Parts: sequence; structure tokens; C-alpha cells
Amino acid sequence: QLVLTQSPSASASLGASVKLTCTLSSGHSNYAIAWHQQEPEKGPRFLMKINTDGSHDKGDGIPDRFSGSSSGAERYLTISSLQSEDEADYYCQTWGTGIQVFGPGTKVTVL
Amino acid sequence: QITLKESGPTLVKPTQTLTLTCTFSGFSLTTIKVGVGWIRQPPGKALEWLALIYWDDDRRFNPSLRSRLTITKDTSKNQVVLTMTNMDPVDTATYYCAHRNTVRGPFDYWGQGIPVTVSS
Repeated sequence: QLVLTQSPSASASLGASVKLTCTLSSGHSNYAIAWHQQEPEKGPRFLMKINTDGSHDKGDGIPDRFSGSSSGAERYLTISSLQSEDEADYYCQTWGTGIQVFGPGTKVTVL
Repeated sequence: QITLKESGPTLVKPTQTLTLTCTFSGFSLTTIKVGVGWIRQPPGKALEWLALIYWDDDRRFNPSLRSRLTITKDTSKNQVVLTMTNMDPVDTATYYCAHRNTVRGPFDYWGQGIPVTVSS
């Protein structure tokens, strides 16, 4: 079964970096994923797609502070130079034959 | 510029059928590899994919909700309609539509969402 796992929360100080992890379920380590950002009271926004080799494809206007990488079944989103507006929920998404799957989300707090 | 916007009732009664419309611009649902999906989010909870319809009329559904969902498209109006039958208070959520290109993979453009409350 295709499942994504995320830590419920992460935090870092203003100006620091934070690295979020999205883990693919067993047998699905070759799947690409996407990261979406959801600011409070707003709809989701596509940030980037991350491939198995760590290459990524960003959405429109996504700052360079947002980067992605990959290792085994884990896909990462790193936010550098953390700003107050980065305080949001971050969801990963993957897709299989006929289905779309979202992770439970990680809430990022900027200290 | 791709935009999507959801419309429909914001309050429905239990057992009623919900009908939501996604009106989009900046792309066509006659273009190969393009699809429009629906995703919902109960208050304080995670995103849940509901359904997708593609340029070739292929339709995919979340297996857990398959029996309650219908999705159709009107390419002349640039609209996708989702219906969900037998609504229950647990279906209270914000409903989003989103663009997908199967070459790229994920949902890459989202609507602003429409909040739907199920209550008598």
C-alpha cells in the first residue's frame, strides 16, 4: 500500500534552516513526490516535485530558499534563511496507478 | 496563467447530494495528459484526494469514497463537476480542485477552495 509518512511538527529560528522529511512506504522507494505549502487559512501551493535522483522541478515563483533532495525512500524539503511567512503546513504527495496520496503534513513553526 | 475556482453550496443537509463546480482558465481539458482533480480537507486535518478526470475522460476515484462520487467535465465551459451523494457531517471540509499534468506528476495549480458544512 502506497503511504507517506511525515513528522507532525518542526521548528527553527528566524534565518535558520529546517529540513522536512517525507518517507515512502516499503516497496515504493522509486516514487517521485511533491511538496505543497499551506499557509494558515489559505489553500495549498505547489512548491516542487522531487525525483528519485534528487532532481527537482519547482512551481511558479518558488524562491531559491526552498530546495529538495532524496535518499532511498526519503524525500526532503529544506527551507533556508527561514522567514516568518514560511510558518505553514507542508504536505507531501505522491501518485501511483490511478491513485493520489497525501502525507499527514508537517507544521513548521518559526521561532 | 492557470487558475481554478470552486463554486457550489456552502451548507448541505445530511443525506443530501453535494454538487461542486470547478471553473478553470489557462489550460484546456482537451490537451493530452491534462487532468483536474478534487481534494478535500476537514477542519484541522490533512488533505484527502477524492477524484480525477483526464483529457480522455478517464476517471479515477479514491477507493474509500468511490461509491459516492461522480466526476464529469464540460470542455466547452472549462468546467469540472464533482457530485458526492449521501452527505454526512464527517464530510464537512474545504473542497479544492487542482490541475494535474501526468507528465509532470503532481497537482501543480490549486483553486482557493470552498468550505462546505454538512448540518441539519
